[in-house]
Amino acid sequence: EAGVVQSPRYKIIEKKQPVAFWCNPISGHNTLYWYLQNLGQGPELLIRYENEEAVDDSQLPKDRFSAERLKGVDSTLKIQPAELGDSAVYLCASSLVRANEQFFGPGTRLTVL
Amino acid sequence: DAKTTQPTSMDCAEGRAANLPCNHSTISGNEYVYWYRQIHSQGPQYIIHGLKNNETNEMASLIITEDRKSSTLILPHATLRDTAVYYCIVCLALEVDMRFGAGTRLTVKP
Repeated sequence: EAGVVQSPRYKIIEKKQPVAFWCNPISGHNTLYWYLQNLGQGPELLIRYENEEAVDDSQLPKDRFSAERLKGVDSTLKIQPAELGDSAVYLCASSLVRANEQFFGPGTRLTVL
Repeated sequence: DAKTTQPTSMDCAEGRAANLPCNHSTISGNEYVYWYRQIHSQGPQYIIHGLKNNETNEMASLIITEDRKSSTLILPHATLRDTAVYYCIVCLALEVDMRFGAGTRLTVKP
């Protein structure tokens, strides 16, 4: 069974440029999560989807971050414009409905210059 | 406020048991203890969870004290591939906002 797929694995951009990350969850997993992980820290939840509905986006900086999960399957997280402080690893995870056993993808490492 | 306290780092000899402690003195009666680990350049991986009783699976054992204020994750025969950051998380069942904290960096040495 394929795990959570994320692309790209690495992205380097200049500040003020837009960037997008893509995630394909495990087949059948209705819940999808986007996390931000800064160096030396644990992941922090940005947004959670139940099917195509964003049910918890309280930690998502909405002035520059946006996300969508069309058709309740794969998802895209976008930053526009990127700032230096956005350099981090962006992790996607999925789970069966609401569950604490979350399956994580390898993450996208973003570097903003 | 952090719900758990873990040592920043630990070392373990290959083939020996790795015992990773976690303090959660403010845990409530209906909160579970979850353990995840994160190997370098990978996403976190679920290991095990428990409520009151000790638990064991193919990866590890979880020992929870009777007062539930602390727990220990045991890797019975650590290998080099167990080198990772281990996160202890306390949360309600089905509470999806899991607070990972900084975790314990375990280094297994040959």
